[in-house]
Amino acid sequence: DIQMTQSPSSLSASVGDRVTITCRASQSIDIYLNWYQQKPGKAPKLLIYAASSLQSGVPSRFSGSGSGTDFTLTITSLQPEDFATYYCQQGYSTPSTFGQGTRLEVK
Amino acid sequence: QVQLQESGPGLVKPSQTLSLTCTVSGGSISSGGYYWSWIRQHPGKGLEWIGYIYYSGSTYYNPSLKSRITISVDTSKNQFSLKLSSLTAADTAVYYCARATPPSSSSAFGYWGQGTLVTVSS
Repeated sequence: DIQMTQSPSSLSASVGDRVTITCRASQSIDIYLNWYQQKPGKAPKLLIYAASSLQSGVPSRFSGSGSGTDFTLTITSLQPEDFATYYCQQGYSTPSTFGQGTRLEVK
Repeated sequence: QVQLQESGPGLVKPSQTLSLTCTVSGGSISSGGYYWSWIRQHPGKGLEWIGYIYYSGSTYYNPSLKSRITISVDTSKNQFSLKLSSLTAADTAVYYCARATPPSSSSAFGYWGQGTLVTVSS
């Protein structure tokens, strides 16, 4: 299985901040990397697919980059509704695997 | 707008078999192009992909669960189902159904059900 490792595991930030979350794959996954946002008690929401494509309806302050083994999710100008847990997921091979999550908290 | 809704028991006894169904609305499973998936999340933990099925019946299972899983599809009802056997407390989780894009499109889970909490306890 391909292991996905996110860093940091948790992050404190303030409204208006720019934050970056990193995801590393245990082997090359080309650009087959997706990012999700999950709020308590809710299903995950797809933000970014194929490393850098913004899902329809997702605000442009979210962006993704990377290829191979290293990927980043960047949120510019944090909004109050952005405080949540973020997961990466590789879609390169089965079994599909997720990172352990990054919890973004209010500073 | 595609919507997915899980249904099934919230409480199951150890050693029994869990049966969950996902009803899809706003889109037809038999149209093809997508993989209909099950994902679970243990309480307070991360996400675990269980497996998915294509409208044709082709299945892909997580090897860690493969011996205990069956995923099936009923295109006439626009539903797909999960059976997980030999349950233990470790199977207690929120179970989600979701729609995945093809592997060539990164297998992204763009639509999810609301999730259903399944507790395994006697």
